[in-house]
Amino acid sequence: KNEVEQSPQNLTAQEGEFITINCSYSVGISALHWLQQHPGGGIVSLFMLSSGKKKHGRLIATINIQEKHSSLHITASHPRDSAVYICAVRLGTRGNEKLTFGTGTRLTIIP
Amino acid sequence: DGGITQSPKYLFRKEGQNVTLSCEQNLNHDAMYWYRQDPGQGLRLIYYSQIVNDFQKGDIAEGYSVSREKKESFPLTVTSAQKNPTAFYLCASSIGRGRDQPQHFGDGTRLSIL
Repeated sequence: KNEVEQSPQNLTAQEGEFITINCSYSVGISALHWLQQHPGGGIVSLFMLSSGKKKHGRLIATINIQEKHSSLHITASHPRDSAVYICAVRLGTRGNEKLTFGTGTRLTIIP
Repeated sequence: DGGITQSPKYLFRKEGQNVTLSCEQNLNHDAMYWYRQDPGQGLRLIYYSQIVNDFQKGDIAEGYSVSREKKESFPLTVTSAQKNPTAFYLCASSIGRGRDQPQHFGDGTRLSIL
């Protein structure tokens, strides 16, 4: 079993729809990252969070430490949001400097 | 603008050849990372460096080598010992102070076998 699981693997939606992407992890973590990978391959860091909720523009990330689960929401989705969204966690091992990555959710927004 | 520059964008390797992927950052970050991305898999860590002149193996270091002679540079060499080098390679950096910092990524290098 992967330490980081994302769902769905693929998501297609109409422009304007509310989008939810989920990430579950199996062990304790110190931080969770949401990343966006564009078709050209470059990756942008969207959020880093260890508790609660963060918001940036139309993007909202939440995390529930007890349930080991995080969600990324996109409100009023737009075709430019089409990308692969990747969840990554820093496992809570002392001195661990490494991130463990999910396999990503491919989001396609249709005009 | 500060950022991470990877070059080249596309690279082709012949059998038995070593190739070097460049990664330069002007963010004044202490930590730098190399990842490999294969279709259907999450990013996997090849090597990382938390400070100049020091680096550690990641999860899939076999067939790769790195150096960190300057803070801003962390080149990755794919040696002939790496039997399946075709992949997308991403370099990243972070401030390095403290355990939880965002990582900044380059645009990647796509390596293929001739």
